[in-house]
Amino acid sequence: GEDVEQSLFLSVREGDSSVINCTYTDSSSTYLYWYKQEPGAGLQLLTYIFSNMDMKQDQRLTVLLNKKDKHLSLRIADTQTGDSAIYFCAEDTGGFKTIFGAGTRLFVKA
Amino acid sequence: NAGVTQTPKFQVLKTGQSMTLQCAQDMNHNSMYWYRQDPGMGLRLIYYSASEGTTDKGEVPNGYNVSRLNKREFSLRLESAAPSQTSVYFCASNPGPQLANVLTFGAGSRLTVL
Repeated sequence: GEDVEQSLFLSVREGDSSVINCTYTDSSSTYLYWYKQEPGAGLQLLTYIFSNMDMKQDQRLTVLLNKKDKHLSLRIADTQTGDSAIYFCAEDTGGFKTIFGAGTRLFVKA
Repeated sequence: NAGVTQTPKFQVLKTGQSMTLQCAQDMNHNSMYWYRQDPGMGLRLIYYSASEGTTDKGEVPNGYNVSRLNKREFSLRLESAAPSQTSVYFCASNPGPQLANVLTFGAGSRLTVL
């Protein structure tokens, strides 16, 4: 069935780049998303990419999509302490169903 | 602009008690969703409402009921709470099927069942 997997934790130093990885199983996914969840809050959309694109850049964020390997990554350049949060990868499987990964908790050390 | 508002933010129940989680959105969105978030499991869809007057089961509907009261409001009811329903519940909405189905989430309701 449909599944989205991501590692649970990532720790980086302030100023370094963070790379959060995700794999998905549904080859018919049309859009893939990255959401951010700060403590005590709901999820907020960070960015999304259409499945026929390889890369999308938005300020400090770079999304790379390898459709052949069903691999999605989110790179955050110049990571700041304010980037500490949980990052969720999600895929659009069509209709009304969005499948979420378990989330990667990013720790940024000052 | 409030977006998606959920109440209550916190609730403690005893096994067997019932309660309703309320959700309202002010963005004129057609579709609304209820998810639960459990550690290490991400978000799982409980029920959704594609449009006013319709509701459908998601991945984990057992033990829950929903009501789409009007276009703005979508409630989630636990008729007889069980400890396995201890979780954080999120309501979300979006305009409906579009090229990208971006979801807007509420702040969450943390439920503990003893």
